[in-house]
Amino acid sequence: GALVYQYPRRTICKSGTSMRMECQAVGFQATSVAWYRQSPQKTFELIALSTVNSAIKYEQNFTQEKFPISHPNLSFSSMTVLNAYLEDRGLYLCGARDWGTYAEQFFGPGTRLTVL
Amino acid sequence: AQKVTQTQTSISVVEKTTVTMDCVYETRDSSYFLFWYKQTASGEIVFLIRQDSYKKENATVGHYSLNFQKPKSSIGLIITATQIEDSAVYFCAMREGGNYAQGLTFGLGTRVSVFP
Repeated sequence: GALVYQYPRRTICKSGTSMRMECQAVGFQATSVAWYRQSPQKTFELIALSTVNSAIKYEQNFTQEKFPISHPNLSFSSMTVLNAYLEDRGLYLCGARDWGTYAEQFFGPGTRLTVL
Repeated sequence: AQKVTQTQTSISVVEKTTVTMDCVYETRDSSYFLFWYKQTASGEIVFLIRQDSYKKENATVGHYSLNFQKPKSSIGLIITATQIEDSAVYFCAMREGGNYAQGLTFGLGTRVSVFP
């Protein structure tokens, strides 16, 4: 089956510091990886969509300078939250998709970021 | 721009009955994919079922089925024979099909509580 793992599951960082989160796809090829943030009381905001061997597309209000993403192969992606502040807290979700096999994205369990 | 709207904030049902959730969407694309996911209490996001816009038949998977009304841009989710474990937040999502490199647009979710 198609599985997506994310680490860490929870993290706490001090305001102004940075933290890196990882996403790993197992059982399928993660041709594209989308990173979302689910803030308290909100739905999922798309941060960026990364496609292997192609440019990463960031949504409005999210930038590479703040959320740099790496997607070096068909099973792994990482995203860093630089200079995290209170408004960056939330559940960060990785949704991976195999263009050749599935129309749907499979999600990891998320990384919950708390900023102190 | 694409948009997904779920107007029902929460629904309570008795176990073993049927629950129906609404979702309407907006898109300019003639080809698109519609998905339903559920988010459990632990935060895990589980893919449930999908409907491809070009298919006339309503998708069915297990005790999940869809009511796809294309002229109304509506994709309702029906859960029959509900169980306590079906208690979760249900999200409707869409991906426009013209561009493979697209993330999902989600609705705000409908919280379903199943009681004995």
